[in-house]
Amino acid sequence: AAGVIQSPRHLIKEKRETATLKCYPIPRHDTVYWYQQGPGQDPQFLISFYEKMQSDKGSIPDRFSAQQFSDYHSELNMSSLELGDSALYFCASSLFGSVAQHFGDGTRLSIL
Amino acid sequence: SQQGEEDPQALSIQEGENATMNCSYKTSINNLQWYRQNSGRGLVHLILIRSNEREKHSGRLRVTLDTSKKSSSLLITASRAADTASYFCATDGGATNKLIFGTGTLLAVQP
Repeated sequence: AAGVIQSPRHLIKEKRETATLKCYPIPRHDTVYWYQQGPGQDPQFLISFYEKMQSDKGSIPDRFSAQQFSDYHSELNMSSLELGDSALYFCASSLFGSVAQHFGDGTRLSIL
Repeated sequence: SQQGEEDPQALSIQEGENATMNCSYKTSINNLQWYRQNSGRGLVHLILIRSNEREKHSGRLRVTLDTSKKSSSLLITASRAADTASYFCATDGGATNKLIFGTGTLLAVQP
C-alpha cells in the first residue's frame, strides 16, 4: 500500500539559508500534518491543512510557512535557518474525520 | 513535553518478557493513541482507545485508559527483539485531530 512520501530524506543547510520540505500524502487523504522532533524529544505539532486550507497551527516559528496544493501535497518552507532548527520533520496524512494519522519517514534537517 | 510524562523513560527486558509503559496527559481527550518509532524513522500507529473505553486489545498489545487519573498504559506481551523501539502515547482532544505526544519510552528487548 502507498505510504506518505517525504523528500528529501536528509538535508544539510547552513545558518540563515532556506529549506523546502515536501510531503506527498497517501492517495485520497485530504489532511496533512507537520511535526518537528528535536534530538531525543517528542514530536511537536507545527501546522495542519485540510482541503488546501490551514486547519490548525501549533508552535511554528514565523520564519516557517507551509501550504497544501491542489494535488494535496504539502510543502514546508523554512527561512533564516538557525542551529536549533536541526530536527526530524515529519509529515502525516489522514482522511478528514479519521483520528489515526499515517506518518512518513521524515526529513532529517541538519543546520551547520 | 506538551503532554505529560511517560514512564519509564527507558526499559530493558529479555525476549519473552512483558513490557509495560505508562503515560499521563494533562487535558481532556477524545482518544488516546500509541505509536511506535524505530530509530530515525517515522511513527507507526499501533492502537487507539477512545475516551469512553477502559481497555483494548490488539494482538500482543493491551492498552488501558483511566480518564479519572488522566493516564494510560501499554502492555506488550511475549516481547521480541523486533519490538525494540521508542513508544509514544498521543492524545487528540481538538477538532482538528492534531496529536500531542508524550515524551516516549525507549524499549530495548534483549535476544
